[in-house]
Amino acid sequence: EVHLVESGGGLVKPGGSLRVSCAASGFSFDTHTMNWVRQAPGKGLEWISSISSNSAYIYYADSVRGRFTISRDNAQNSLYLEMSNLRVEDTAVYYCVSEVGRRLFDYWGQGSLVTVSS
Amino acid sequence: DIQMTQSPSILSASVGDRVIMTCRASQSIGTWLAWYQQKPGKAPKLIIFKASNTQSGVPSRFSGSGSGTEFSLTISGLLPDDSATYYCQQCNDYSPAFGQGTKVEIK
Repeated sequence: EVHLVESGGGLVKPGGSLRVSCAASGFSFDTHTMNWVRQAPGKGLEWISSISSNSAYIYYADSVRGRFTISRDNAQNSLYLEMSNLRVEDTAVYYCVSEVGRRLFDYWGQGSLVTVSS
Repeated sequence: DIQMTQSPSILSASVGDRVIMTCRASQSIGTWLAWYQQKPGKAPKLIIFKASNTQSGVPSRFSGSGSGTEFSLTISGLLPDDSATYYCQQCNDYSPAFGQGTKVEIK
């Protein structure tokens, strides 16, 4: 059974930094492109970043480019999102999501809440 | 960037009803469209891919159709368990976009 478990969320002040992690199990992590999708409280879904299986291809949404960095460690079956210069509008649940191809998201973690507030 | 627009925002229907919600893309995406179901406090769940293909394990009362810029999701015989928010998502390019969602409420 596929499991994606996020950790590392919490409360951070505007301008601060935070790293969210995702531990994957139950599938061949090292052959899948992985993504981060976020959802602000009471709002819709927003894709923010993807990383190919060998980290060769990385993409970001305009809203986070230059502030967020996605990475992965295939030996540890782990995905990371390093967030810096955080803004109040970055407050959201951050989901770790596996891709079955062509940005089709088949498995989602339970999410990790990041709150940016002074 | 491709924009996705869903309607209606809220859909109220009775158990047993056939409900239809729509999703429009700002430019043609072929059949590169997915639908997700999200219940409160839970992660989204993939239910339809490539516009009309039902994901494994999803009940047959869910069906999708459309191509180009106009798409629809139909629930035939609404059940209380179908109360959720449904999102469409274009899979046409490297920067996927979601619609704003249609919330299905049971009368």
